[in-house]
Amino acid sequence: EVQLVESGGGLVRPGGSLRLSCAASGFTFSSYSMNWVRQAPGKGLEWVSSISSSSSYIFYADSLKGRFTISRDNAKNALYLQMNSLRAEDTAVYFCARTINDGYAEWGQGTLVTVSS
Amino acid sequence: SYEVTQSPSVSVSPGQTASITCSGDKLGDKHACWYQQKPGQSPVLVIYQDNKRPSGIPERFSGSNSGNTATLTISGTQAMDEADYYCQAWGSRVFGGGTKLTVL
Repeated sequence: EVQLVESGGGLVRPGGSLRLSCAASGFTFSSYSMNWVRQAPGKGLEWVSSISSSSSYIFYADSLKGRFTISRDNAKNALYLQMNSLRAEDTAVYFCARTINDGYAEWGQGTLVTVSS
Repeated sequence: SYEVTQSPSVSVSPGQTASITCSGDKLGDKHACWYQQKPGQSPVLVIYQDNKRPSGIPERFSGSNSGNTATLTISGTQAMDEADYYCQAWGSRVFGGGTKLTVL
């Protein structure tokens, strides 16, 4: 069974940093591109970042302006999102998702990040 | 950057056909996919590559994509289909704003 389990969310002050993790199991992690998608409270889905299977290709939403860094450790079956200079508007549930056949076929349950003083 | 737009809401009677559209410049030249999200749950992929259904998705879900518009069609809509639906333009990775489907 495919499982994606996010962790690392929590309450952080504006300007602070957080590192999210996504633990993957049930599939050959190193063969798939992975993604982060976020959803602010009561709002729609927003693509954040994507990374190819070997980390050769990395993409970010323009709105992040270099504050976030995606990475992966294929030996640990783990995906990461380092978030710096956090702002109130970064408050959201952050999902990791696996790419299969031009779609995000599996999603984790999400981890809530709250940016507030 | 590329953008896709969706109508905020669609209503349908049980058993009828629901059509949810997604518009973007030359969207038909890209692949579109669709996600269903129920309250408090993670999104679920229901259509990929314009018109393909993942395993486990009911046949009543279908999709098309041509010109500037991709369409998700739900035939014989059931109460359990009430949810938010999001389109995604593959390649640009951007999501539409979502459409709330109400089954009255």
